[in-house]
Amino acid sequence: DAGVTQSPTHLIKTRGQQVTLRCSPKSGHDTVSWYQQALGQGPQFIFQYYEEEERQRGNFPDRFSGHQFPNYSSELNVNALLLGDSALYLCASSQTDRGLYEQYFGPGTRLTVT
Amino acid sequence: AQSVTQLGSHVSVSEGALVLLRCNYSSSVPPYLFWYVQYPNQGLQLLLKYTSAATLVKGINGFEAEFKKSETSFHLTKPSAHMSDAAEYFCAVSVPYSGGGADGLTFGKGTHLIIQP
Repeated sequence: DAGVTQSPTHLIKTRGQQVTLRCSPKSGHDTVSWYQQALGQGPQFIFQYYEEEERQRGNFPDRFSGHQFPNYSSELNVNALLLGDSALYLCASSQTDRGLYEQYFGPGTRLTVT
Repeated sequence: AQSVTQLGSHVSVSEGALVLLRCNYSSSVPPYLFWYVQYPNQGLQLLLKYTSAATLVKGINGFEAEFKKSETSFHLTKPSAHMSDAAEYFCAVSVPYSGGGADGLTFGKGTHLIIQP
């Protein structure tokens, strides 16, 4: 049973560019949440997707957007990259339809903005 | 809104000694509470969870935590530390939805556990 997978593993972008990160949830999971973890900090919640809609959003600007596909996989898009967007981006999946709440995390995508 | 405070950004214990990592939370509604562990350059692994059932929760790798509502605490303990326990530990809180599932996790800043040989 595959866990949560994320791609790519590492990414280097230039200020002002746009980036797309991808996540495949754990088998049977229907909810995907995205987090940003700056170096030496705890993860910060970006948003959560369920039934292909954004269900909840953290305190992040509109430059951060996402999408969930019918197969429950998800993308995180960041426009107009800033140096401060450099971080580990974590995807977590959970199972809302069965009333389950534990979130299982992928290995993350390390984004470096230069 | 929820918040989590982890006391001590670094905790050092000797191998075989008791591990105690402190977590206090704030929530306006009954919360779900979690402890996660993160090894270098990896994602987060769920150690244990509290979801309003038993207040003493047992997790993987010999860890356990006790929910104390009066103290708004959810401290993580392990009777005997192993070298392999060296990692970053995060306490997190979320609030359940009435229709199932829970909202995004709010994390503490983490505690780096150091095991001395």
